[in-house]
Amino acid sequence: DQQVKQNSPSLSVQEGRISILNCDYTNSMFDYFLWYKKYPAEGPTFLISISSIKDKNEDGRFTVFLNKSAKHLSLHIVPSQPGDSAVYFCAASAWGGSEKLVFGKGTKLTVNP
Amino acid sequence: DARVTQTPRHKVTEMGQEVTMRCQPILGHNTVFWYRQTMMQGLELLAYFRNRAPLDDSGMPKDRFSAEMPDATLATLKIQPSEPRDSAVYFCASGLDAGRDYGYTFGSGTRLTVV
Repeated sequence: DQQVKQNSPSLSVQEGRISILNCDYTNSMFDYFLWYKKYPAEGPTFLISISSIKDKNEDGRFTVFLNKSAKHLSLHIVPSQPGDSAVYFCAASAWGGSEKLVFGKGTKLTVNP
Repeated sequence: DARVTQTPRHKVTEMGQEVTMRCQPILGHNTVFWYRQTMMQGLELLAYFRNRAPLDDSGMPKDRFSAEMPDATLATLKIQPSEPRDSAVYFCASGLDAGRDYGYTFGSGTRLTVV
């Protein structure tokens, strides 16, 4: 049973436009969420995170939005650049004894020049 | 740049053989994870350690997989005997405590092929 779901396996956008990657979760115990970016033949690299006490966190071109009632989060990239082309993983963890990250299956983003 | 080092990067082995994967976490990090990436399951947690003590290995097939931390600079994941369904990319990640402010740092992975 997948607790973290990324329903879009792939997304293609034009350079300069906004990329929106979505993630849904089912476990109401999750209270911390992270996005990782992964290039081929490399490990995932941490991108941005958000705690459940917030509904938005911003870092440069990357913004993560959290809607707790809908159990949904999204990553916005503005403006998108060709170097952003990668697989993006959403991950979640629950405080209180377990810091392990539960990952979604990833969304492959392609930014076209 | 501090990084997590995994060896080997690639391993091809025959079914039934023993496979050992190694990970050198970032110096000072006290939490080490083993994840496996497959097309079907995505990134699955196999096991993790805090201060070298195993905290959770519920994601690991116990009959054939074992994970250890002989010392603070080395984590190992062993498969014996290996099977074709073990073919995947195995990632090690390390962090300090819960790593909630900056996530965990992943190595580049070991791509395992069992034929």
